[in-house]
Amino acid sequence: QVQLQESGPGLVKPSGTLSLTCAVSGDSISSSYWWSWVRQAPGKGLEWIGEIHHRGTTYYNPSLKSRVSISMDKSKNQFSLNLSSVTAADTAVYYCARDHPLRIWGRGTQVAVSS
Amino acid sequence: QSVLTQPPSVSGAPGQRVTISCTGTSSNIGAGYDVHWYQQLPGTAPKLLIYGNTNRPSGVPDRFSGSKSGTSASLAITGLQAEDEADYYCQSADSGLNVVFGGGTKLTVL
Repeated sequence: QVQLQESGPGLVKPSGTLSLTCAVSGDSISSSYWWSWVRQAPGKGLEWIGEIHHRGTTYYNPSLKSRVSISMDKSKNQFSLNLSSVTAADTAVYYCARDHPLRIWGRGTQVAVSS
Repeated sequence: QSVLTQPPSVSGAPGQRVTISCTGTSSNIGAGYDVHWYQQLPGTAPKLLIYGNTNRPSGVPDRFSGSKSGTSASLAITGLQAEDEADYYCQSADSGLNVVFGGGTKLTVL
């Protein structure tokens, strides 16, 4: 059974960098899937952040592209999200997910941006 | 402003049929990209409900069905149950954007 688990700081200071990791179990991150990050601001809808393929190809939401970086660590079977220059508008629950469509989701991790 | 447009809310009584629309444009749904639907129960992660416009993953009741025509898609739920009360999101792709979502629709079971 494939499971995804997000982890990272629950609080980030404004202008800082948000860094999250998605640990994958039950599957190899080197398998031929797309691995995505999606976020949901409080009371709002879903927003796709970006994705990475096992070969390292990345695609990002143009609205976030200048601040986002997604990478993978095959040795740890995980992939990561870095979002720089954060503001309160980046406060959200962050989900990692697998495949197209997004068949498997992590439970999500709450991140607040506040001083 | 979401790329795909959904009604903010719909409601229905138990046993009734409800539909949720998802309207796009010629650069996403109308360009031939598949539409997928997700159900998000309160406080939980989204769950894939319909993929490839009309297909149900294993375990999803056949009360849920999807359709697509032109630049729009729809999710239909028949035999409405209290447990169906959730937020529903459509998703497709767009030129330059591999994943785009609708704004979500809150389903209330009366």
